[in-house]
Amino acid sequence: TQLLEQSPQFLSIQEGENLTVYCNSSSVFSSLQWYRQEPGEGPVLLVTVVTGGEVKKLKRLTFQFGDARKDSSLHITAAQPGDTGLYLCAGGNTDKLIFGTGTRLQVFP
Amino acid sequence: DTEVTQTPKHLVMGMTNKKSLKCEQHMGHRAMYWYKQKAKKPPELMFVYSYEKLSINESVPSRFSPECPNSSLLNLHLHALQPEDSALYLCASSRGGRGQETQYFGPGTRLLVL
Repeated sequence: TQLLEQSPQFLSIQEGENLTVYCNSSSVFSSLQWYRQEPGEGPVLLVTVVTGGEVKKLKRLTFQFGDARKDSSLHITAAQPGDTGLYLCAGGNTDKLIFGTGTRLQVFP
Repeated sequence: DTEVTQTPKHLVMGMTNKKSLKCEQHMGHRAMYWYKQKAKKPPELMFVYSYEKLSINESVPSRFSPECPNSSLLNLHLHALQPEDSALYLCASSRGGRGQETQYFGPGTRLLVL
């Protein structure tokens, strides 16, 4: 069974701080997506990475796909209250997405 | 345009009711998905339709019945549900019909079974 473990599970920080969320697996994935989800809403796609070692930036968010395509990280610079939500990584295997365990981020003003 | 729409937004039903959830996308995507999400958990895959054919059923109870009338529409028919079926039901789609591709999610239907 393929698993994607995210850490930390919960993160509570002040506005302006930096943070990193990790997404780790023992399996290789063909692609990896990061989503942000707010309560009662559907996940919103942030990025897709497909190449080992790939780094993508989306404003204050930096995403990296591990060289072996088994892990990924999301770094947020100068977090804002609007970044609050559930962050989910999801790895693509042969016929479905495998979702990570989720990281719940709370950014206080 | 990467929009997937779902109706209704909220649904309350009794255990003897029959209801349907609807999902629509006009991105020309060839795969569509139903997920169930309980509070504070990641989405769990229920069904996958690829090129309008059911390709994956993740051992979902028969009280959930999916239907794909055409490439843009996906329904989930509900009958004789249990209170533990209360959850957020999410629809998603992807471009080429393969589940490993990037999936775009709708806003979900919050279902409460009494």
